[in-house]
Amino acid sequence: QVQLVQSGPEVKKPGASVKVSCKASGYNFTRYAVSWVRQAPGRGLEWMGWISTYNGDTKYVQKLQDRVTLTTDTPTSTAYMELRSLRSDDTAVYYCARVDTTWGVYIWFDPWGQGTLITVSS
Amino acid sequence: DIQMTQSPSSLSASVGDRVTITCRASQSITSYLNWYQQKPGEAPKVLIYATSSLQSGVPSRFSGSGSGTDFTLTISSLQPEDFATYYCQQSYSTPMYTFGQGTKLEIK
Repeated sequence: QVQLVQSGPEVKKPGASVKVSCKASGYNFTRYAVSWVRQAPGRGLEWMGWISTYNGDTKYVQKLQDRVTLTTDTPTSTAYMELRSLRSDDTAVYYCARVDTTWGVYIWFDPWGQGTLITVSS
Repeated sequence: DIQMTQSPSSLSASVGDRVTITCRASQSITSYLNWYQQKPGEAPKVLIYATSSLQSGVPSRFSGSGSGTDFTLTISSLQPEDFATYYCQQSYSTPMYTFGQGTKLEIK
């Protein structure tokens, strides 16, 4: 079945970097883009960015674009999210999601990875 | 950027009730509106895409409607497993897919 499996939780100090992986299975990886979404404790969903698994094009939310990089590794069907210069308010669960579509017109996220908790603490 | 605003932020209801959640966009998004359900400790799950298309496997008691800037998610008869947080998402501004702030549906 179609699924996304993410790497495990991490604890980082302020100023450090983290790289979260998202391994896809059950479908042709390069046919669907991947988006990343984060959720701070007790808060809502925040869209972070998007990457084309076909050509590597990326788009980031403005508030993070200087600190986040999305990449993919096609041979392993894995997407990555790297966040640099971590701050305490980056503490959140980070999700990857496949960008599903009908005829390239309507777009939604399905499925989602299980989430990766990143804790930033000194 | 397109802003999405949901109302109410929280809602108490009973099993069997009919419930409506509203989502408003800061500009027209025609029919590019999705709804997700999230239960505690779980990833979100898509319920409805393109305003009113029910995702495969989602019960028919869920329905969506609207166009332009105003949209609704309706649950026709609440079941115990429906108590969760619901989010709308616009997919008009590709690929900047912003979410509403969420509506927490609690048991009365």
